[in-house]
Amino acid sequence: DQQVKQNSPSLSVQEGRISILNCDYTNSMFDYFLWYKKYPAEGPTFLISISSIKDKNEDGRFTVFLNKSAKHLSLHIVPSQPGDSAVYFCAASLDINFGNEKLTFGTGTRLTIIP
Amino acid sequence: NAGVTQTPKFRVLKTGQSMTLLCAQDMNHEYMYWYRQDPGMGLRLIHYSVGEGTTAKGEVPDGYNVSRLKKQNFLLGLESAAPSQTSVYFCASSSTGGRFEPQHFGDGTRLSIL
Repeated sequence: DQQVKQNSPSLSVQEGRISILNCDYTNSMFDYFLWYKKYPAEGPTFLISISSIKDKNEDGRFTVFLNKSAKHLSLHIVPSQPGDSAVYFCAASLDINFGNEKLTFGTGTRLTIIP
Repeated sequence: NAGVTQTPKFRVLKTGQSMTLLCAQDMNHEYMYWYRQDPGMGLRLIHYSVGEGTTAKGEVPDGYNVSRLKKQNFLLGLESAAPSQTSVYFCASSSTGGRFEPQHFGDGTRLSIL
């Protein structure tokens, strides 16, 4: 069963507008969440993360929001730029008491920024 | 800065053949991982290692074996390749498991099984 889900396989956004990528999880033992970005023919690279003790984390144009009660997180990119076109994966880490030595990744969302 | 290096980058195998994918990292990381990426399935963990000489099963371990004889290397083996193992394979390493220190990925190995 997919414990981390990204229900939108693809998303197209005009340059300069806001991109919102969504991620849902089912395991309440996840307490740390990350977003990775992947360009074609390259490995994923870390983008931003959030701990379950927070509901928001910002880094420049990127903001991640966490709603624990809904088991939902989102990544906002403002303003969107052509270089943001990539596949975005959300990932989750279990609480230290349940084994936090690995990540569970979602299925990915392909973001295309339209010039 | 080499980071995480995967060899080979591409390979075509026939069903039943065997091969080994090599992952090398130069960051002195304790944790290493093998993932496969398939359309619509995201990144799925095959096996991982929390230190030299250790290995553990991930989400999709069947048909694969791994070894971590040296801290900097993590090998993924396919003993008898099957078409279902056609995929892009990624290796990653981390100092803390990917939680407070991100996992660093190689650029992948594209493997086709005919």
